[in-house]
Amino acid sequence: GESVGLHLPTLSVQEGDNSIINCAYSNSASDYFIWYKQESGKGPQFIIDIRSNMDKRQGQRVTVLLNKTVKHLSLQIAATQPGDSAVYFCAENREYSGGGADGLTFGKGTHLIIQP
Amino acid sequence: SQTIHQWPATLVQPVGSPLSLECTVEGTSNPNLYWYRQAAGRGLQLLFYSVGIGQISSEVPQNLSASRPQDRQFILSSKKLLLSDSGFYLCAWGGQTGNTIYFGEGSWLTVV
Repeated sequence: GESVGLHLPTLSVQEGDNSIINCAYSNSASDYFIWYKQESGKGPQFIIDIRSNMDKRQGQRVTVLLNKTVKHLSLQIAATQPGDSAVYFCAENREYSGGGADGLTFGKGTHLIIQP
Repeated sequence: SQTIHQWPATLVQPVGSPLSLECTVEGTSNPNLYWYRQAAGRGLQLLFYSVGIGQISSEVPQNLSASRPQDRQFILSSKKLLLSDSGFYLCAWGGQTGNTIYFGEGSWLTVV
């Protein structure tokens, strides 16, 4: 069936290194993707989004890459800091006839652990 | 700027008791509103969404219900809680034409 998933449940990186979190999706009709960060005990925070007509989008210390050929999405975090420790998950938006965001589908998340 | 608030942040309720979680959004009009549940180690499950006052769509049949008495107010309720209702409940809002949704801080519910 259609799904959004993540390759690794846990990712451990050294402080100062770059982190890459991956996400696969199976619905080629998806045209909008979002990355969220969820710190322990808190609600998810929007990080960055990308539309299917783009391959790359950059924010502050974060870059999202979209490869539509293999239906793969990644989030790159530069110079990882202790405050980056969180669960990161991607979401896809699939077109519904009525429009709106009710078609948002979330992956289960990758736990990013920062080693000192 | 837009803000979203939900409360209470934490509650412990006995089995069979009622539930009311409230969510309000500020700084926007006519938002889409959502209730999600997040079980430990699992993804986000959409429970209800609303595109306008009094308009509620249920994604998962269960003993929970939702209501939208005002444009920027969304309430999650239950008449009798089950143990399986324990979890982290998140309210979220999105624009009518946008694709992104923004979450509140969440409410931890433990049914004992």
